[in-house]
Amino acid sequence: SYVVTQPPSVSVAPGQTATISCGGKDIGSKTVNWYRQRPGQAPEVIIHYDRDRPSGIPARISGSNSGNTATLTITGVEGGDEADYYCQVWDVSREQPVFGGGTKLTAL
Amino acid sequence: QVHLEQSGPELKKPGASVRISCKTSGYTFTNYYLHWVRQAPGQGLEWMAIINPSTGASDYAQQFQGRLTVTRDTSTSTVYMDLNSLRSEDSAIYYCTRVTTPATIVGGWFDPWGQGTLVTVSS
Repeated sequence: SYVVTQPPSVSVAPGQTATISCGGKDIGSKTVNWYRQRPGQAPEVIIHYDRDRPSGIPARISGSNSGNTATLTITGVEGGDEADYYCQVWDVSREQPVFGGGTKLTAL
Repeated sequence: QVHLEQSGPELKKPGASVRISCKTSGYTFTNYYLHWVRQAPGQGLEWMAIINPSTGASDYAQQFQGRLTVTRDTSTSTVYMDLNSLRSEDSAIYYCTRVTTPATIVGGWFDPWGQGTLVTVSS
């Protein structure tokens, strides 16, 4: 089965840029979705199809995908960005979604 | 707007069964596949199952085969998840969620999500 790997945690100072990786074999050939989950809340999509933002998601949140790594980038990190972030792809052969293990973003 | 409303928290003993409902609104129920995803305390998201609300056909993650059943009621636009032989490791928040692409098993993204249902398994 297809596996995607995320770092368990990322810490950045407020105002700096956070990058969260999502690694998988030839993940660049798949489309990647990113979800943000704030404490006590359900996940919400913040990036879909590698780099598209739903309405209401600020431009300082962006995504990219190439080779074996997809990346979520958050510039000008604020306290409100502290959350768990999950990448998700589709395992087409099994017709099932695959989630990364999640990354906890902390604004130091 | 599209909305998924789940049933309330459950406290179950080991070996018991639990049923969680997910009532949908704001769209044509039979046009979009629905999924169940769970999250154990402090853990990540784990995909469990998918159901085609139009036909009732379902598929399950291998680790739940034989213990999990997902059904639907088209008259109320509601999906149900039944998990039996509960053990402490099944204590988690269970979410229903819908893919954004109609009539598609693979593709799109998950939006919206239900509010989650906490299931606690304890003797």
